[in-house]
Amino acid sequence: QKEVEQNSGPLSVPEGAIASLNCTYSDRGSQSFFWYRQYSGKSPELIMSIYSNGDKEDGRFTAQLNKASQYVSLLIRDSQPSDSATYLCAVNKNDYKLSFGAGTTVTVRA
Amino acid sequence: NAGVTQTPKFRILKIGQSMTLQCAQDMNHNYMYWYRQDPGMGLKLIYYSVGAGITDKGEVPNGYNVSRSTTEDFPLRLELAAPSQTSVYFCASSTGKETQYFGPGTRLLVL
Repeated sequence: QKEVEQNSGPLSVPEGAIASLNCTYSDRGSQSFFWYRQYSGKSPELIMSIYSNGDKEDGRFTAQLNKASQYVSLLIRDSQPSDSATYLCAVNKNDYKLSFGAGTTVTVRA
Repeated sequence: NAGVTQTPKFRILKIGQSMTLQCAQDMNHNYMYWYRQDPGMGLKLIYYSVGAGITDKGEVPNGYNVSRSTTEDFPLRLELAAPSQTSVYFCASSTGKETQYFGPGTRLLVL
C-alpha cells in the first residue's frame, strides 16, 4: 500500500464549477497535511496546509481533514483556467520529511 | 530574498559521467531536501539534511551523494550517471515540520 494515494485523474471541470481532489494516507500517526500546486514545467508551490480535523478555507480553496478515515481533500470553488495544474498531496509523519502522492492533474475548460 | 536557487537549469550527461547539482537557500533554514520527479509521478526523497554537517538517506539514495558544509548550500553529486537518473531534480528547504519551499528544478537527461 502506498503511503499517500490520490485519485488518479485527470480531472476535467468546466469553468466556474467545483473541482474535488481526494487523498488518503496509510500512517495513522501522520500529523500535518499539505496541498501543493505544480504548473507544467514548474516547481511545487504550497497552497494549503491543515493540521486538525475539519475544514480550512482560504479564498476559493477549502481543505478538509478526517484523521479517523485517514482522508484529506481539496475543493476548488469557482474553478478558473489558471487553476489548471497538477495538485500534489503531501503528508508529514511528525518528522522532518514529507511523503507525496503522485498528483492529480486538473484541467479547467473555458 | 532569492529563496531556493538551483543550478544548472538543464543538463545532458553521457552515461558514466559525473556532475554536481547545486542548491542554495538564503532563508536560514536548517532543513534541506533533494527530490527527484519522474514524469507523471510524485516527488521521491533522495537525501535530506537537518543542519550543517548532518545528512541522511531518503527513499531513493542509490547513485547519489550529498554534503552540507554550510547552512546555505546542499549540493547533490551524481557519480557514474545512468539513464535511470534521467529526471527533474528539486531542492527544497524548511524550518522543520512545516512548509517546504522548492527551488525551480534541474532537468537532467542521461544519454
